[in-house]
Amino acid sequence: NAGVTQTPKFQVLKTGQSMTLQCAQDMNHNSMYWYRQDPGMGLRLIYYSASEGTTDKGEVPNGYNVSRLNKREFSLRLESAAPSQTSVYFCASIKGDIESTDTQYFGPGTRLTVL
Amino acid sequence: QKEVEQNSGPLSVPEGAIASLNCTYSDRGSQSFFWYRQYSGKSPELIMSIYSNGDKEDGRFTAQLNKASQYVSLLIRDSQPSDSATYLCAVNRYSSASKIIFGSGTRLSIRP
Repeated sequence: NAGVTQTPKFQVLKTGQSMTLQCAQDMNHNSMYWYRQDPGMGLRLIYYSASEGTTDKGEVPNGYNVSRLNKREFSLRLESAAPSQTSVYFCASIKGDIESTDTQYFGPGTRLTVL
Repeated sequence: QKEVEQNSGPLSVPEGAIASLNCTYSDRGSQSFFWYRQYSGKSPELIMSIYSNGDKEDGRFTAQLNKASQYVSLLIRDSQPSDSATYLCAVNRYSSASKIIFGSGTRLSIRP
């Protein structure tokens, strides 16, 4: 099992460019998440998907869109990148079963710089 | 008011002592509580989870939960230099879906 994978690992964009961050999990988890982490800010929830076909806004959704492509994959899109979106982006997944004592598994992160 | 609050630190503790990390949360409907450790440049890794009031012990780690006070803490006994990291508190506001919110983290430094 690879767990949670993210691509790319590093990316540099110019202001106004667009890009999609990819995330996939092979643990048959129902729920997936996108977080951003800025220095000293902890993890802030951007969007999450409770199950295939559903997405919801988190704490800081502005400037981002997401797609839950299937149960395995959850992508994050920046339509017009801004320097304020320079951050480390983490994808995470959780089984999402109300009966379970869920553990959230994280991908390795994508380090994005917007110039 | 932030949903999950932690003292950012840094918290400096001598090797072998007890490190105490604290976290408060605002949503009384929160049901699950987690402590993650994050080394610089790495992903968060789960070290403790707690779901009911009281203490939960796992090796050198003890998590404490008080839902009435909306307070969760992590104690690290016999602190080691390898415990130096940022500790993130996370809260699951489970209703119809798991919405997991993190605090800003506390930097812990264990001095030899």
